[in-house]
Amino acid sequence: GENVEQHPSTLSVQEGDSAVIKCTYSDSASNYFPWYKQELGKRPQLIIDIRSNVGEKKDQRIAVTLNKTAKHFSLHITETQPEDSAVYFCAASSGKGGSNYKLTFGKGTLLTVNP
Amino acid sequence: NAGVTQTPKFRVLKTGQSMTLLCAQDMNHEYMYWYRQDPGMGLRLIHYSVGEGTTAKGEVPDGYNVSRLKKQNFLLGLESAAPSQTSVYFCASKTYSGNTIYFGEGSWLTVV
Repeated sequence: GENVEQHPSTLSVQEGDSAVIKCTYSDSASNYFPWYKQELGKRPQLIIDIRSNVGEKKDQRIAVTLNKTAKHFSLHITETQPEDSAVYFCAASSGKGGSNYKLTFGKGTLLTVNP
Repeated sequence: NAGVTQTPKFRVLKTGQSMTLLCAQDMNHEYMYWYRQDPGMGLRLIHYSVGEGTTAKGEVPDGYNVSRLKKQNFLLGLESAAPSQTSVYFCASKTYSGNTIYFGEGSWLTVV
């Protein structure tokens, strides 16, 4: 099955700096890669995603890049703010029949933004 | 529209007791999932369902059973709880064709 590795496990940055979180996946059939943000005691929530036919996607201060050949994808957060502090999870999705119904998660990155 | 609702939110069990976690979604989603979250381990898939009346094993199914008798409900059962099952459990759902999965608020389970 799919295996998703995520690095680093913890990341501390100063407010205003950029943060980068990297993930690798093992299943070349995976074609959907979401990123979730989880605040303490809350549910994971989707912040951005990318499909395998796209190399980069951006949404304001957040961007995701995908390298299918190398099987890795990254989350980039620019101009970090204290409210960006949370655990971030990457994931890879695959499934039969064209429906991506199995989502495998990385182990998470605890991002701390220091004021 | 409540989304994905989990019951109960908190529970303390003694070793050997049984219990059922209930997940309900009002979005008419075909797919439903149960994940567990442990420190440093991320979210691991326990069981999932691709439609009413069907279930399948995920990454860590041992010690759990599930049922999906109605499309909107997905039940997770612990027949004989063990301390290793102390965890936060998240239910999630998605449509057949969509990519985004939606999580419930989580259920905190402690087995003593």
